[in-house]
Amino acid sequence: GESVGLHLPTLSVQEGDNSIINCAYSNSASDYFIWYKQESGKGPQFIIDIRSNMDKRQGQRVTVLLNKTVKHLSLQIAATQPGDSAVYFCAEIPSGGSYIPTFGRGTSLIVHP
Amino acid sequence: EPEVTQTPSHQVTQMGQEVILRCVPISNHLYFYWYRQILGQKVEFLVSFYNNEISEKSEIFDDQFSVERPDGSNFTLKIRSTKLEDSAMYFCASTQGAGNSPLHFGNGTRLTVT
Repeated sequence: GESVGLHLPTLSVQEGDNSIINCAYSNSASDYFIWYKQESGKGPQFIIDIRSNMDKRQGQRVTVLLNKTVKHLSLQIAATQPGDSAVYFCAEIPSGGSYIPTFGRGTSLIVHP
Repeated sequence: EPEVTQTPSHQVTQMGQEVILRCVPISNHLYFYWYRQILGQKVEFLVSFYNNEISEKSEIFDDQFSVERPDGSNFTLKIRSTKLEDSAMYFCASTQGAGNSPLHFGNGTRLTVT
């Protein structure tokens, strides 16, 4: 079946480093993708989104890259801070149908001061 | 910034009892969702709701579950007869437009069934 998955379950970085979190998706019909951050005890918080007609989108300290050829999504966080420590999920939304976001399992980002 | 609010933050109930989880979506949003997250696992879709009716539901959302929008602001999830395996975090979410804008989530209700 279709799935959204993450390559690395845990990523440890030093404060100030850049972080890259990866996500593979398998539904070629997906045309909208969202990255969420989930801190302990809280709900998923929207970070950034991208549509399939784009391959890159930048926000504040974050960049999302989309490679439709290999069905790969990445989230880059510049100058990672301890407050960035959280679980990061990607979600894909297929076009022409249910529009139900499907989440991957998540990557835990640990930022060491 | 407007946000989705959920109550209670933690609900403890005995197996077989009914629970109602409450949510107030963002006021100008039109699409509403319930997701759940069992500890350490991914966020799973339960049901979506639009125009006062269920638009999609997953296999998890069986006859024990129901949703309701009793007035213009609240969106509730009812579990009629809870089971141990219903213990999870339940997240409500809303969005303005399905498929073209992100879901905004509440901070969840932790349901513990004993």
